[in-house]
Amino acid sequence: QLQMQESGPGLVKPSETLSLTCTVSGGSITTYNSYWAWIRQPPGKGLEWIGCISYAGSAYYNPSLNSRVTISLDTSKSQFSLKLTSVTAADTAVYYCARRSRGRGYGYWGQGTLVTASS
Amino acid sequence: DIQMTQSPSTLSASVGDRVTITCRASQSIISWLAWYQQKPGKAPKLLIYEASTLESGVPSRFSGSGSGTEYTLTISSLQPDDFATYYCQQYNTYPLTFGGGTEVEIK
Repeated sequence: QLQMQESGPGLVKPSETLSLTCTVSGGSITTYNSYWAWIRQPPGKGLEWIGCISYAGSAYYNPSLNSRVTISLDTSKSQFSLKLTSVTAADTAVYYCARRSRGRGYGYWGQGTLVTASS
Repeated sequence: DIQMTQSPSTLSASVGDRVTITCRASQSIISWLAWYQQKPGKAPKLLIYEASTLESGVPSRFSGSGSGTEYTLTISSLQPDDFATYYCQQYNTYPLTFGGGTEVEIK
């Protein structure tokens, strides 16, 4: 059974960079037609898709985050990562990593990690 | 971006009720639509994908329908475990987008 786990600092200062890693176990991060995503949820609000990276390493981002986002894949460690630069209080949210296969929704999720942007 | 509009935003219902949630896309998403259930403090759970395909292990009281821009999630007989927030999501076009959510609460 595929399992996913987010890790990273729970507190980030405004203007600094938020860095999170998702570790995947129980399956291969290079499985054909798999897409690995970051999705966030501000406290008490809805879900926002941040971006994803494919099994082949192609990345897609939400334009609403402008050029602040980078998602990368580390196949040797079975991990993928999120970097979000120049954070503000508006980036405070629970950050989830998730996986979908082509043609399907996100069937696997991490438990989520709360990141607070505050000085 | 494709806008996903869910209605209602809140729904009060009783155990045993038939419940319908609607999701409208700002342009056709060719049935590339998923429905999720989320409970407080938990990650969303995939219920339905490709508009009407039930994810493995999801009870058959959940069903989805629709095409083009209009989609519905139906719970045929609401159970105590179903009180939660439901989200639709399109995955036809990047950026992927979610509806605003529908909270199903106890009447």
